[in-house]
Amino acid sequence: GAGVSQSPSNKVTEKGKDVELRCDPISGHTALYWYRQSLGQGLEFLIYFQGNSAPDKSGLPSDRFSAERTGGSVSTLTIQRTQQEDSAVYLCASSLRGGTGELFFGEGSRLTVL
Amino acid sequence: SQKIEQNSEALNIQEGKTATLTCNYTNYSPAYLQWYRQDPGRGPVFLLLIRENEKEKRKERLKVTFDTTLKQSLFHITASQPADSATYLCPYREGGSYIPTFGRGTSLIVHP
Repeated sequence: GAGVSQSPSNKVTEKGKDVELRCDPISGHTALYWYRQSLGQGLEFLIYFQGNSAPDKSGLPSDRFSAERTGGSVSTLTIQRTQQEDSAVYLCASSLRGGTGELFFGEGSRLTVL
Repeated sequence: SQKIEQNSEALNIQEGKTATLTCNYTNYSPAYLQWYRQDPGRGPVFLLLIRENEKEKRKERLKVTFDTTLKQSLFHITASQPADSATYLCPYREGGSYIPTFGRGTSLIVHP
């Protein structure tokens, strides 16, 4: 596809369950970002991947959150033992490179933890 | 550390008027600045980038200015339309970071 693709678009889960969110960036984009956005709030940075470098995980809120990027392309964000405060829209963005490159965002995965 | 200040209150204007949104930097003036638009329930969409050596950048009805002395960027939409209603964001990058930090942005509402 031409844009950043995220799945699922909506996920409802029970507290304590694990969830996986997927991001398929634009082909050739070396930089990939995960953000989350709670209702009425700004985007909160989670993790950044750039090429084969070690990811910047400084935004992950707890050790229940992890992410990987396989083959420099698809990325999966995993949230273990979900809590109600994890409910948010999780946005993935890719960029041709880091630095000044514009970010292309997906439509997001809306997570609701009951 | 760098902070971005955007109007927290929504900007309400009448269709056809020029909307002006402000982005102020509290610490240093960045080397460049990007503006994004976000519609409810969707991811942000890139609009314009302006560099510190550029006073002004235009794209169709959009104009961005950058005043490094005032540490301020202004974003103008001329002949505004209800379809321009959205939240507008001016993320910044701290120091040499590659990670854009987004604030809540400013909500623009254009009334028909």
